[in-house]
Amino acid sequence: LAKTTQPISMDSYEGQEVNITCSHNNIATNDYITWYQQFPSQGPRFIIQGYKTKVTNEVASLFIPADRKSSTLSLPRVSLSDTAVYYCLVGEGANKFYFGSGTKLNVKP
Amino acid sequence: EPEVTQTPSHQVTQMGQEVILRCVPISNHLYFYWYRQILGQKVEFLVSFYNNEISEKSEIFDDQFSVERPDGSNFTLKIRSTKLEDSAMYFCASSETSGVQETQYFGPGTRLLVL
Repeated sequence: LAKTTQPISMDSYEGQEVNITCSHNNIATNDYITWYQQFPSQGPRFIIQGYKTKVTNEVASLFIPADRKSSTLSLPRVSLSDTAVYYCLVGEGANKFYFGSGTKLNVKP
Repeated sequence: EPEVTQTPSHQVTQMGQEVILRCVPISNHLYFYWYRQILGQKVEFLVSFYNNEISEKSEIFDDQFSVERPDGSNFTLKIRSTKLEDSAMYFCASSETSGVQETQYFGPGTRLLVL
């Protein structure tokens, strides 16, 4: 079971860069690492996905070290609207997915 | 942008009653999923479904649960005899293909309250 561990919560201020780390020591060779964002009473929304090294898209970057036992989601210049819960997801098998406990990010003005 | 839709948005039921939660996945997607989220807790995987068969299921998905694709557009989750602990938000998701690298698109959820 590819269990993930994340900090329960983080605080930040508008305009700052936020880095959220997820630990997944038992990640399997075929597993990808995916991050989702969830606002209250809404379904999770895809942010970014990677397998190794670094991935960047228009909203975030994902850093994965060579051993793949952890990953770091980087949000550049957060705003108040980035206040949400961020989940690290590691797939197990072809169609079985486990969410981490989630990190509640609170962005302050 | 195509969306996953779910109905109803809220459902209140009595313990022991059967409930059916409905989902319409994105039209060209072939893989479907159900998750639940108990209030204040993490999102938990229930089941994945492809080609009219269950592909994977978690230990939560016991005999009280079943899934079905009754027609070309709907995907349902049935809970046969609801328990108090089934109260949760239930999310449907779909993806175009299989594999852990495939992005899943989530619906807005159905909030189920069992009294």
